[in-house]
Amino acid sequence: AQSVTQPDIHITVSEGASLELRCNYSYGATPYLFWYVQSPGQGLQLLLKYFSGDTLVQGIKGFEAEFKRSQSSFNLRKPSVHWSDAAEYFCAVASSGAGSYQLTFGKGTKLSVIP
Amino acid sequence: NAGVMQNPRHLVRRRGQEARLRCSPMKGHSHVYWYRQLPEEGLKFMVYLQKENIIDESGMPKERFSAEFPKEGPSILRIQQVVRGDSAAYFCASSPRGTGVEKLFFGSGTQLSVL
Repeated sequence: AQSVTQPDIHITVSEGASLELRCNYSYGATPYLFWYVQSPGQGLQLLLKYFSGDTLVQGIKGFEAEFKRSQSSFNLRKPSVHWSDAAEYFCAVASSGAGSYQLTFGKGTKLSVIP
Repeated sequence: NAGVMQNPRHLVRRRGQEARLRCSPMKGHSHVYWYRQLPEEGLKFMVYLQKENIIDESGMPKERFSAEFPKEGPSILRIQQVVRGDSAAYFCASSPRGTGVEKLFFGSGTQLSVL
């Protein structure tokens, strides 16, 4: 069964500092990988996704993530954090292939931003 | 083009009552998915429906929970005789036919509180 681990429950960074959120997955084949952001009281917004091709994926709001098969990781990065980035971030995995419909989520990393 | 609409946003029920959560998919989407987010947890898949058909309910608790997606109207997640452990955020997602996770959009969720 596939699984996702987000080792950091809570991270605090200063505004303007760089950010890296870790995500490790367990899946036998090449997975589909996703990062979502959830602001308080809001639904999930897709930041970026990896299906195939270039292992460095660009997303919205200046975020990027790199798929590293050898490390089973899909870490999310941002060079300079803004106060509005404070939210909870979820990594998710799905089986690849046409018709794949079920996402498996990590428990999330809560990001706090110090002004 | 409205997104995935869920209502109510907040629902308070006493133990033993019934909870009905509604989800209207995005225009043109014929597939609906329900996920549950327990406190301090990531989202967990519950059920996948097409119009008038349950495709996969492997994540649904065996008792008290049911879901439907009728030919007309929204998808409904029904929880009978609610208990405190049902308190959670319930998210609906939708996708066009045949795309699954590749084109998945989430609603803002319904926060269910059981007193």
